[in-house]
Amino acid sequence: AQSVSQHNHHVILSEAASLELGCNYSYGGTVNLFWYVQYPGQHLQLLLKYFSGDPLVKGIKGFEAEFIKSKFSFNLRKPSVQWSDTAEYFCAVNPTNTGTASKLTFGTGTRLQVTL
Amino acid sequence: DTGVSQNPRHKITKRGQNVTFRCDPISEHNRLYWYRQTLGQGPEFLTYFQNEAQLEKSRLLSDRFSAERPKGSFSTLEIQRTEQGDSAMYLCASSPGRGSYNEQFFGPGTRLTVL
Repeated sequence: AQSVSQHNHHVILSEAASLELGCNYSYGGTVNLFWYVQYPGQHLQLLLKYFSGDPLVKGIKGFEAEFIKSKFSFNLRKPSVQWSDTAEYFCAVNPTNTGTASKLTFGTGTRLQVTL
Repeated sequence: DTGVSQNPRHKITKRGQNVTFRCDPISEHNRLYWYRQTLGQGPEFLTYFQNEAQLEKSRLLSDRFSAERPKGSFSTLEIQRTEQGDSAMYLCASSPGRGSYNEQFFGPGTRLTVL
């Protein structure tokens, strides 16, 4: 069974600082990869996704993530965070070779707090 | 709003009572998922429907849990004889079901508190 590890549980940054949140997954086959964000009081929203092709994917609000297959990693980055990026960030994986699309396996999440 | 909707948003119940939650997916999405999220954790998969067929169930889904999607549109999740450990946020998601992509759109969740 697949699993996802997010090693940063709580990150505090000042506005304009650069962000990198780690995500590693455990699965032997091909996967789809996702980052979801949950702003305070709101529901989970898709930030970006990787299905195939260019391993550097760009999402909304200036976020990007790089899929490094050899490291089983899909780290999330943003060059300059804003106060409005304060939220919880979840990495998720979905195997592609199961025959039918099925469950997402999520990491435990990283709480990002951006200070002014 | 054409997103995934869930009702109720909050439910407080006493231990031993039965509760039922409803999820309305995005129109024309034929895949529907239920997840459970507890404090400090990411969502955990419970079950999944393609149209009205329930195709996968997690071992987290004990005999007290049952889910239905009778006409392939909305879905209900029922918990019988609730226990305090059932307290969590119950999330519903839907996806279009075309191709091998699995972009899931989440609803706001139903927060269950079992006293």
